[in-house]
Amino acid sequence: DQQVKQNSPSLSVQEGRISILNCDYTNSMFDYFLWYKKYPAEGPTFLISISSIKDKNEDGRFTVFLNKSAKHLSLHIVPSQPGDSAVYFCAASASGSQGNLIFGKGTKLSVKP
Amino acid sequence: KAGVTQTPRYLIKTRGQQVTLSCSPISGHRSVSWYQQTPGQGLQFLFEYFSETQRNKGNFPGRFSGRQFSNSRSEMNVSTLELGDSALYLCASSPVKRAGVDTQYFGPGTRLTVL
Repeated sequence: DQQVKQNSPSLSVQEGRISILNCDYTNSMFDYFLWYKKYPAEGPTFLISISSIKDKNEDGRFTVFLNKSAKHLSLHIVPSQPGDSAVYFCAASASGSQGNLIFGKGTKLSVKP
Repeated sequence: KAGVTQTPRYLIKTRGQQVTLSCSPISGHRSVSWYQQTPGQGLQFLFEYFSETQRNKGNFPGRFSGRQFSNSRSEMNVSTLELGDSALYLCASSPVKRAGVDTQYFGPGTRLTVL
């Protein structure tokens, strides 16, 4: 049973526009959420995180929104750039989980010039 | 700071053999986690080590094992390799600022192919 779901396997966006990547979770014990970007043949690169005590966190072009009641989070990238083209993974953890991040299956973002 | 390093980057083994993968965490990071990535299952947690102790383990058979040394470097071992063990094995380290809630930083991975 998938505890973290990324229902869109792919997303295509025009350069300069907003990219919105979505993630849903089922475990109410999750209290820390992260987004990673991954290029082929490389390890995931940490982008941004959010604690369950917040509903928004911003870092440059990246903003993560958390809706706890809907068990939903989203990553907004504004403006999107061709270099943002990669697979984006949503991950979640619960306090005391000791290193166990639960990952979604990823969304492949293509930003077209 | 140097990032997480993993060696080797690529490995080819045959069924029945065993393999050892190595991971050096970011300096000062004391927690090391291991993950397996396959096309079908995505990223799955193998185990986590902190201060040379395994604190958490995922749902993998006992053929998968690991250890951590006093300098926080970690190794994972897979014995009696099966075709299904072909995957990208990722190591991640974290500073453990707060118990159980920490950002993990990943290495480039070791691509294991079992023939």
